[in-house]
Amino acid sequence: EAQVTQNPRYLITVTGKKLTVTCSQNMNHEYMSWYRQDPGLGLRQIYYSMNVEVTDKGDVPEGYKVSRKEKRNFPLILESPSPNQTSLYFCASSLSAGITDTQYFGPGTRLTVL
Amino acid sequence: QQPVQSPQAVILREGEDAVINCSSSKALYSVHWYRQKHGEAPVFLMILLKGGEQKGHEKISASFNEKKQQSSLYLTASQLSYSGTYFCGTAEWDRGDDKIIFGKGTRLHILP
Repeated sequence: EAQVTQNPRYLITVTGKKLTVTCSQNMNHEYMSWYRQDPGLGLRQIYYSMNVEVTDKGDVPEGYKVSRKEKRNFPLILESPSPNQTSLYFCASSLSAGITDTQYFGPGTRLTVL
Repeated sequence: QQPVQSPQAVILREGEDAVINCSSSKALYSVHWYRQKHGEAPVFLMILLKGGEQKGHEKISASFNEKKQQSSLYLTASQLSYSGTYFCGTAEWDRGDDKIIFGKGTRLHILP
């Protein structure tokens, strides 16, 4: 089944404890992206990647890191999480350019930072 | 520049029509529409790539007015399954990157 998977789905952590949220797609998509969703603010893009080893900042990249070493994986890293990073996170992928293609979203990861 | 969606929320009875608008202060390259049901991931509805383009499937369609820098999503004879939050996402001509910026969403609730 074609899909985008994220792990974990739920995570409660404490301030400053490094964490990684994994994202993987099995559709051979070039483009991958991370969004955060907060009530009343919609979906805000954190980082995106147009291909392996190519990443670029979205609108809210502060406090996050990403890497794209393989086409199928695009992990989101929070080196020192803070409470303002408590949010619902979505990974998405599309076949080619994000601005012209359908994006397929993962199921989401709900992160709470205490 | 985050696009502005209107209305923020709408309540309809089953069978009624709805229009959701998405406007930008920037010239747009493309407009994307997604629907998200509570507790689920956003799901793709359609992309409009050309000014004047109209697309649709079944009772959900959209138009893209390039000159006015806006798009509208039309839901005809709404069904209970149409309930959810609708997001438009826009790509701007001037930025030259591959970013989509989403609006804050329009909550649609359909009553039986």
